[in-house]
Amino acid sequence: SQTIHQWPATLVQPVGSPLSLECTVEGTSNPNLYWYRQAAGRGLQLLFYSVGIGQISSEVPQNLSASRPQDRQFILSSKKLLLSDSGFYLCAWSPGSRFGEDTQYFGPGTRLTVL
Amino acid sequence: DAKTTQPPSMDCAEGRAANLPCNHSTISGNEYVYWYRQIHSQGPQYIIHGLKNNETNEMASLIITEDRKSSTLILPHATLRDTAVYYCIVRGQTGANNLFFGTGTRLTVIP
Repeated sequence: SQTIHQWPATLVQPVGSPLSLECTVEGTSNPNLYWYRQAAGRGLQLLFYSVGIGQISSEVPQNLSASRPQDRQFILSSKKLLLSDSGFYLCAWSPGSRFGEDTQYFGPGTRLTVL
Repeated sequence: DAKTTQPPSMDCAEGRAANLPCNHSTISGNEYVYWYRQIHSQGPQYIIHGLKNNETNEMASLIITEDRKSSTLILPHATLRDTAVYYCIVRGQTGANNLFFGTGTRLTVIP
């Protein structure tokens, strides 16, 4: 069966510090990968998605970036964190489909607090 | 993707069936109905999805009306661990990447 891991689970960082969040998927190959952010009491916002190694699409321009160095690894980064970057970051994967039936499965999330 | 409307909150007695409604009157023919839930401070959990026919899995049943303008998620025997926010999402080919999680229904299972 497939599993998705995220780490760290929680993170407290000062403003202006760098960020690196990692997500890995096991038990599948060539998945679509996604980074979402959920602000307190709000819905999910898609940040990045990837359909393959080195292929990243950005949904929201901001000071975050994403990379996919390996098939089942997805990394979210920032060079300098802002207070507004605080939130709950979720990684998800899906098997990929052109027809809308492409179920996304979410990881446990990373709660980031920027002080 | 079509938008959905859900009641903001519902209560259900432990051991009883929980029936969570969702309206999606603008759904188009190739759009699927997905249900997820999110327990506080955890990632969303996939529950079930369907296109036209009713679906059942080990977690729940999904009943989709014949005109596909509404659906109901049924948790047959609710437990305290089913307390969560439940999201109904309509998703088709045009919205292939983004899942729009609205406000959902906050289900509270009461002992």
